[in-house]
Amino acid sequence: GAVVSQHPSRVICKSGTSVKIECRSLDFQATTMFWYRQFPKQSLMLMATSNEGSKATYEQGVEKDKFLINHASLTLSTLTVTSAHPEDSSFYICSARQGASTMNTEAFFGQGTRLTVV
Amino acid sequence: AQTVTQSQPEMSVQEAETVTLSCTYDTSENNYYLFWYKQPPSRQMILVIRQEAYKQQNATENRFSVNFQKAAKSFSLKISDSQLGDTAMYFCAFMKRSGGSQGNLIFGKGTKLSVKP
Repeated sequence: GAVVSQHPSRVICKSGTSVKIECRSLDFQATTMFWYRQFPKQSLMLMATSNEGSKATYEQGVEKDKFLINHASLTLSTLTVTSAHPEDSSFYICSARQGASTMNTEAFFGQGTRLTVV
Repeated sequence: AQTVTQSQPEMSVQEAETVTLSCTYDTSENNYYLFWYKQPPSRQMILVIRQEAYKQQNATENRFSVNFQKAAKSFSLKISDSQLGDTAMYFCAFMKRSGGSQGNLIFGKGTKLSVKP
């Protein structure tokens, strides 16, 4: 299957600093990428949908100024957690779908990023 | 809005036995996909099986099969001949197929499956 690479896998940052997480589709073009957040022992909650060349669509309750998403190319989307606080500590996962149609039904997931804000 | 419910937070099964994980969902859509994903301790999400709602035939993938009951909005996963490597969190997921959908997945809360030797 297609490969999605997410980097870094783990990051520890100080409160008040910003952290950037990258999500790359290595062998396919991903018009749409998704960013999820997963709390311990809980499910994946969609944060935002990232479309190449346009603004991301955020889910209700997700602060767009805090979680900046950029999808500048068909193979790269980034999530920047700005002015991070301990409550932002979580596991963040990206996924990408080949092409623009939901007919390509399989979503490929990155390995996830464990963010710890101290 | 769509919701996905997994009523079994944890389950265990003996190696080589069969186990069934439950999933129900709620939607007013007629065209959609359903998925089971596996998340092992590595946290990497792995697609186990998918079902297209317009297909009556239940999907199968080797030891994994589903029981899809569209009218009842039920989508259970059966794992036959359970192996130690099947130990993981299992998430049921829904995706709308209709036009305008960007293809995001809606996940259930997950079932933690432990396969015991």
